[in-house]
Amino acid sequence: NAGVTQTPKFQVLKTGQSMTLQCAQDMNHEYMSWYRQDPGMGLRLIHYSVGAGITDQGEVPNGYNVSRSTTEDFPLRLLSAAPSQTSVYFCASSLGGLNTGELFFGEGSRLTVL
Amino acid sequence: AQKITQTQPGMFVQEKEAVTLDCTYDTSDQSYGLFWYKQPSSGEMIFLIYQGSYDEQNATEGRYSLNFQKARKSANLVISASQLGDSAMYFCAMWVNTNAGKSTFGDGTTLTVKP
Repeated sequence: NAGVTQTPKFQVLKTGQSMTLQCAQDMNHEYMSWYRQDPGMGLRLIHYSVGAGITDQGEVPNGYNVSRSTTEDFPLRLLSAAPSQTSVYFCASSLGGLNTGELFFGEGSRLTVL
Repeated sequence: AQKITQTQPGMFVQEKEAVTLDCTYDTSDQSYGLFWYKQPSSGEMIFLIYQGSYDEQNATEGRYSLNFQKARKSANLVISASQLGDSAMYFCAMWVNTNAGKSTFGDGTTLTVKP
């Protein structure tokens, strides 16, 4: 029962470095999304996808890129890391349509940018 | 655009008592879904309960129930018979059918259950 798998779980970057957070789901879900959670706060949507080849921006997209070449994978790329991107990142997936009710989350990736 | 408001940053409840966590939402869509997640100190997101806008009955899942008042645009979570393990952060969230890939979360309520 893999569900949603995120890697890495922890990462430390220097300002200006780039990296990719990987997200994979094995539930054949159409909808996938990336959120960031800053300390003591709720989740803010970065980017989302409603199917392979289709992505759109969320609330806080600047500094991040996504692509969705397959149904299973939805990587999040940090182009040039900044201290303001220090956060916990969650990937989520759902069935879509009227079954969108439950979002299945990965375990989160804690990113620190020095 | 949709918006979720959770006005209680922190709540305390005595073990075995019931507690209500408030959530109000704003959307002009007629078709939407509302849900609640629990986030314990370990950090994972745990799905609790879901309510669709056309569901006539309030959703229930074990000790959790969602008090859905459509006219007031509220979707409060009721936890009955609180347990120490219920101490966590609780998030209310929603999606709208016209943009269902885009779920919006509130800022959360930290619940502490006292023995």
